[in-house]
Formats: sequence, structure tokens, C-alpha cells
Amino acid sequence: NAGVTQTPKFRILKIGQSMTLQCTQDMNHNYMYWYRQDPGMGLKLIYYSVGAGITDKGEVPNGYNVSRSTTEDFPLRLELAAPSQTSVYFCASSYGTSTAGELFFGEGSRLTVL
Amino acid sequence: QKEVEQNSGPLSVPEGAIASLNCTYSDRGSQSFFWYRQYSGKSPELIMSIYSNGDKEDGRFTAQLNKASQYVSLLIRDSQPSDSATYLCAVNMRWGSYIPTFGRGTSLIVHP
Repeated sequence: NAGVTQTPKFRILKIGQSMTLQCTQDMNHNYMYWYRQDPGMGLKLIYYSVGAGITDKGEVPNGYNVSRSTTEDFPLRLELAAPSQTSVYFCASSYGTSTAGELFFGEGSRLTVL
Repeated sequence: QKEVEQNSGPLSVPEGAIASLNCTYSDRGSQSFFWYRQYSGKSPELIMSIYSNGDKEDGRFTAQLNKASQYVSLLIRDSQPSDSATYLCAVNMRWGSYIPTFGRGTSLIVHP
């Protein structure tokens, strides 16, 4: 089982460039999430989705966009990259409802904006 | 205000001792609580979930929940050097739906 797959694992962007972080899961989970983790910090919620076609903002959504056209895929789009977006990004999924916190994580994508 | 508070540490304990990790949260409506372990450079992995007041034991790990005090803790018995990691507390909080919100994590160091 692949679980949650994120690509790319590493990326360097220049200020003002755009890119998409890909995330796909093969566990038929309804809920999917994007978090970012800065050094020495916990995970901050960027966006989440409770099912195909439904997305909602988390704590730090500015500068990002998401879509959920299928159950499997939940890409995160960065528009006009800024140094403040340098971080490690984690995609995660879960079955949802009362077990929504039992997350399965991807390996992370380390993004540097210069 | 959606907050999950943890002491960042590091918490240093000798091998074989009990490590006690604590977490408080702000949302009285939260019903689901989780502990994740994160090794350096790796993604978090779930080690415990707890939904009811009291204790829940799984091997060397015990999670404790007190909803009235808005407090959740993790005890690690017979700590091993391999337990050295950052432990993240996550609490389901209302962002529209109830979604896991993480604390900043506590770094645990188990020395031989």
C-alpha cells in the first residue's frame, strides 16, 4: 500500500514563482489536510477537505489554494511564492468523523523560497 | 481562540525512567485527542488516541484525559533511547468541521 504520496520531496523556488505540491492517497479516505511545519514548531493547518468538491480554510491559508476534484487527490497551489512560505509541507488523510484526528501522513515536501 | 499548548522542552530522562508529557487545550467542545511521535526529518506517526476521560494504556504508553481541566498527558514507561523524538499533541477543534490542531511539540531525550 502506498498510503499518502507527496511530490516533490524537495523544491527551491524564486520569489514570485508559483508551484503545485501534489498529494494523493489510496486508502479511500474522505478527509484530507495540508499542514506546514516551521523549524521547532508544530503543524499549522493550511486547508482541509471533508470530501470531493469540498474544501475549507485552516489557520494559515493566505498565499495558498487547494482543490479536491477526486477522493484521491488534494493538490496545494502556491501563488507568488514568498520567503515566509519556506517550510516543510505535510499532506495527511483520515477516515473522518470521530476518528478525524487519526491521520496518515505523507513524507513531507521541503520548500525553500529564495 | 484555538490553542494547544505544550512545553517545548527538551525533557531529558534516563533510560528506564517514566517520561511525562503534558498538553492543555482551549476548546471545551473538543472530544478527540491524539499523541504523535515525530523523529527528526520524518513525518509524524500516531501513537495514541483517547476519546473518554481517564486512562488508556497501550504497551509502554498511557494517555490520560481530563476534559474538565482541558488537559491531556502521555506517560512513557521504561523509556528507551529509541523513544527520543518530538511528541506532538493534537486536539480536534472546530474549523467548520472538527479538525486536528497541533501543539508545537515536546522534545524528549532519553539518555543511556
